[in-house]
Amino acid sequence: KQEVTQIPAALSVPEGENLVLNCSFTDSAIYNLQWFRQDPGKGLTSLLLIQSSQREQTSGRLNASLDKSSGRSTLYIAASQPGDSATYLCAVSRDYKLSFGAGTTVTVRA
Amino acid sequence: GAGVSQSPSNKVTEKGKDVELRCDPISGHTALYWYRQSLGQGLEFLIYFQGNSAPDKSGLPSDRFSAERTGGSVSTLTIQRTQQEDSAVYLCASSLLGGQVDTQYFGPGTRLTVL
Repeated sequence: KQEVTQIPAALSVPEGENLVLNCSFTDSAIYNLQWFRQDPGKGLTSLLLIQSSQREQTSGRLNASLDKSSGRSTLYIAASQPGDSATYLCAVSRDYKLSFGAGTTVTVRA
Repeated sequence: GAGVSQSPSNKVTEKGKDVELRCDPISGHTALYWYRQSLGQGLEFLIYFQGNSAPDKSGLPSDRFSAERTGGSVSTLTIQRTQQEDSAVYLCASSLLGGQVDTQYFGPGTRLTVL
C-alpha cells in the first residue's frame, strides 16, 4: 500500500521567506504527483501536476520537483506572502486513485 | 466557468439515520470521484465513475455506503444507518477524461457530523 508522508506537519515563516515543503512516498511506481492547496473549510485547489517522466514543474512563484527513484518531491514557494497561508497536500497516483499525505500547514506572518 | 459544486455544505444527523450527499461535476467532465477527509485517516479514496463503465467501489468502507451517477453527470453518495465514525468531510472531484494523467478538480466538500 502506498504511504505518503509530508514533513514538516506545520511551518511558520515571516513574509518574504522562501518555503520548502517535502513529500515522500514508498512506492515509486507512480504515474504522477500533484500538489494541492486547501484553505480552511474549502476544497482542494490543484497547484501543480508532475508526470512521472518529468523532473519538475513551475507556475509563477511555485516550483515542484520530483525524484521518482528516491520517492521524493519538494514544493518551493518563493517570496512567501500572507496569502500563501494554507495547508498544502501532496498526492500520488498510479491510476486514477490519489493517495494523499497528511499535509503541511503553512502560516506566513506579515 | 463553474467548478465542482456539492450540497449540502454541512449536514448534522443522528446516529442510525440515512444521509444523501450530492455532487455536480464540471460540465463536460467524464470522470467523477468521491473522497473522504477525516481527522484520523486523512484523505482517502472512496469511489470512481468513468463514463458508462462500471464504477470502482473499492474504497467504500462498508456496505452502508453506496453511490450512483445519473446521466453521466450528477452523483449522489448515500450513507445508510450512519455511525459516529462516518463524521468527516466528503469531497467530490471531477476530471475531463479520467485515467492516471488527468488533473482532478475538487468541490468544497460536505461536512457530515453524526451525533
